[in-house]
This record gives sequence, C-alpha cells and structure tokens, in this order.
Amino acid sequence: GQSLEQPSEVTAVEGAIVQINCTYQTSGFYGLSWYQQHDGGAPTFLSYNGLDGLEETGRFSSFLSRSDSYGYLLLQELQMKDSASYFCAVGDDKIIFGKGTRLHILP
Amino acid sequence: DTAVSQTPKYLVTQMGNDKSIKCEQNLGHDTMYWYKQDSKKFLKIMFSYNNKELIINETVPNRFSPKSPDKAHLNLHINSLELGDSAVYFCASSQVVGSSYEQYFGPGTRLTVT
Repeated sequence: GQSLEQPSEVTAVEGAIVQINCTYQTSGFYGLSWYQQHDGGAPTFLSYNGLDGLEETGRFSSFLSRSDSYGYLLLQELQMKDSASYFCAVGDDKIIFGKGTRLHILP
Repeated sequence: DTAVSQTPKYLVTQMGNDKSIKCEQNLGHDTMYWYKQDSKKFLKIMFSYNNKELIINETVPNRFSPKSPDKAHLNLHINSLELGDSAVYFCASSQVVGSSYEQYFGPGTRLTVT
C-alpha cells in the first residue's frame, strides 16, 4: 500500500532549529512536498523535492533521499508564528498527504 | 486578489439534506482538487479534475458528485448528508497533474451535519 509516516508532534524552543522527518512507501514517486497549516487555515505550499538533495527557501530547507524513501523539513531560527501543522505529501497515481506533525514552539 | 475561493465558508445542515460547495480559481491552472480534512486533521484527496475531466476518483461514497463546468470551477454536491460527512472540505488547484507540487488551497468549507 501507499503511506507516509511523520511524527505526530514536535516541540522546540524559539530561535532553535527543528527537523520534521517523513518516510514514504509508494508504488511510484513524483516528488515530496511540504505544506504548512495554521489552526483554522488552509494548507500552504512550502517546498518540493523532485530529486535527491537539499532545497533551501529562506529559513526553511527540505531534503530528499529517494533510495531511503525519506525526507525531512528543516526549520531554522524558529519563530512563534511557525507554530502550525506540517504535512509531507507525495504524488503518485494519486496524491497522498501524511497525517501531519504539530509543531509546538516554546518561548 | 483571491487565488482559490470557496463558498460557503461555513455550512450547517441536517442529516438527509443535499448541499453544494462551490470553488473557483483565477490562477489559470488546469488541475483542481477536492480534499476532505477530518477532525484529526487527516487530509485526504477525494477528486481531481484536469481541464474539466475527472482524473482521480478516490473511494468516496457516490453521494458525493463533483462537477467542473470549466477549468476554473469545480463544485461539489453532496446528497443525503450523514453525520460522518462533517469535516472541512478544501478545494485546491495546481498547474502540474499527478504531483503534490505547489497546490494552492482555498480557505475551506467547514461542514457540520446535525
């Protein structure tokens, strides 16, 4: 079957760095995406990895290893506004989202 | 300008009723989607249309019927509403078919069935 696994919750301190992991199992693979969703809001696209390696977008970076079926989202210089849920997602013959990681940031 | 819009934002109705949710995107994308997000925040794709043609139809009760009058609009009609249909429904659009890449989501429609 097709599935994505990511931690349900992560807690970090403001100003620190946090990594959210995602492992996937799919029959095909068209890249790994990351989305952010604040409470009561809609998911917003953060990052995409179609090939192995690191993609950097400001304070956020995303990594992919296709041989390990693994990726992660790295958030640096955490701010209180980064408190949200983060979803990894893959496209195959259909699009699957992980169950989301709730990021709690402590002052 | 709003990229992906949905109406209504909130919908409260009784079991057995029929309701519709409308979605419009002004991004010029060819692909549109309907997602359901349940109370545990699990986001699951329901339907995907590319240029008005259905390309993804997940295991969804046939009480749910999407309709795309043109590639900028994708509506969702739900017949005989049940308590388990209570959720937030998101419309989304993207330029790339079959990929999770850069999907733009609407604000969501919170459906409550009583």
